[in-house]
Amino acid sequence: QSALTQPRSVSGSPGQSVTISCTGTSTDVGGYNYVSWYQQHPGKAPKLMIYAVTERPSGVPDRFSGSKSGNTASLTISGLQAEDEADYYCCSFAGSDTDVFGTGTEVTVL
Amino acid sequence: EVQLVESGGGLVQPGGSLKLSCAASGFIFSGSTIHWVRQASGKGLEWLGRIRTKANTYATTHAETVKGRFTIFRDDSKSTAYLQMNSLKSEDTAVYYCTREFLAHDSWGQGTLVTVSS
Repeated sequence: QSALTQPRSVSGSPGQSVTISCTGTSTDVGGYNYVSWYQQHPGKAPKLMIYAVTERPSGVPDRFSGSKSGNTASLTISGLQAEDEADYYCCSFAGSDTDVFGTGTEVTVL
Repeated sequence: EVQLVESGGGLVQPGGSLKLSCAASGFIFSGSTIHWVRQASGKGLEWLGRIRTKANTYATTHAETVKGRFTIFRDDSKSTAYLQMNSLKSEDTAVYYCTREFLAHDSWGQGTLVTVSS
């Protein structure tokens, strides 16, 4: 199972919006509505930000939103804030009871 | 409060074995599927496998990259999951996390570092 493809980095100024893509295939992202997104600050464990493509766990700001079209899922951060600077990973169910993570995207707040 | 605490990491020689533990608290461990995920330094997350609950016959699935070398098992009486790693290689050097499956990987431990080196 190959890792899902994410851009290596994205950046934006405070208050702007950024979108991170996560491209897979019809056997993972495109085949199931089980895409999740994780935020990881340096030296810390990842934190769940989005599950089931569009759902936000309690406590996650509504600035974070998820979507999916075909084999590509996306995470949008609206109203970018300094504390959003981190690495972000997507994850998808990939059939046969397996999961696969994305390659990761570094978000920089300019 | 949901808590997962990994332990058992350390330095091991190539070809050696290591067993990692994931001690859980704050939720009904026996009713939860547990995953193992690793991250090499400066690299991305890699899913290693999952173990389901007794109700699902403790079914396990392992990633192809570690199948045959790594085994996930659990002891519900101790609220602990394990990752048995055999025939370790230098490329297995990473921080190893356990996660709880609720909605997605909703809870993570702090990770334990495994270094494979002579």
